[in-house]
Amino acid sequence: DAKTTQPNSMESNEEEPVHLPCNHSTISGTDYIHWYRQLPSQGPEYVIHGLTSNVNNRMASLAIAEDRKSSTLILHRATLRDAAVYYCIPRTGNTPLVFGKGTRLSVIA
Amino acid sequence: EPEVTQTPSHQVTQMGQEVILRCVPISNHLYFYWYRQILGQKVEFLVSFYNNEISEKSEIFDDQFSVERPDGSNFTLKIRSTKLEDSAMYFCASSVAQMNTEAFFGQGTRLTVV
Repeated sequence: DAKTTQPNSMESNEEEPVHLPCNHSTISGTDYIHWYRQLPSQGPEYVIHGLTSNVNNRMASLAIAEDRKSSTLILHRATLRDAAVYYCIPRTGNTPLVFGKGTRLSVIA
Repeated sequence: EPEVTQTPSHQVTQMGQEVILRCVPISNHLYFYWYRQILGQKVEFLVSFYNNEISEKSEIFDDQFSVERPDGSNFTLKIRSTKLEDSAMYFCASSVAQMNTEAFFGQGTRLTVV
């Protein structure tokens, strides 16, 4: 599995955009980059995933560097409900999701 | 919206007792997983299950653990003889395919071994 580096924690003001970075310099060419989050006292929740192109869905956007060694999860307008631990997970083929420590995002009203 | 449901939400058991944690995956999903999270630690993979057999398991998933899909809707995790260190949140997950699709997680069962 590719090793990932994420900040331990980040803080954002409500209704501001948030950019959550992830370094995955050992990623292989066929690994998709998955992002999950875990709200307090809940199970992990899928956010988004992509391979090379930037991806958008109703929850977030994923910007993937051209060399694929890093990616950024973008929450366009943080809400209090977005306070969670965010996990960046490069995934090889059909291997199970492997969670690291993630980034704890705090959102300030 | 379909969801993965887990029961019970909280289970307290005495050390050495057997426990069965239950999960109802999303109905058209084919791949099933168990993860655990010890308080304050990472979410750890235990086992994946497909076509009525284990497809992958971690080092944590030793002989004390077993999984079963007894009736086509439930997916269970059994711990034969619980230890104090088995205390954790146990999450069940399912996905329609295995590669590069979204996995849906349940709300978890908090297991406390006393």
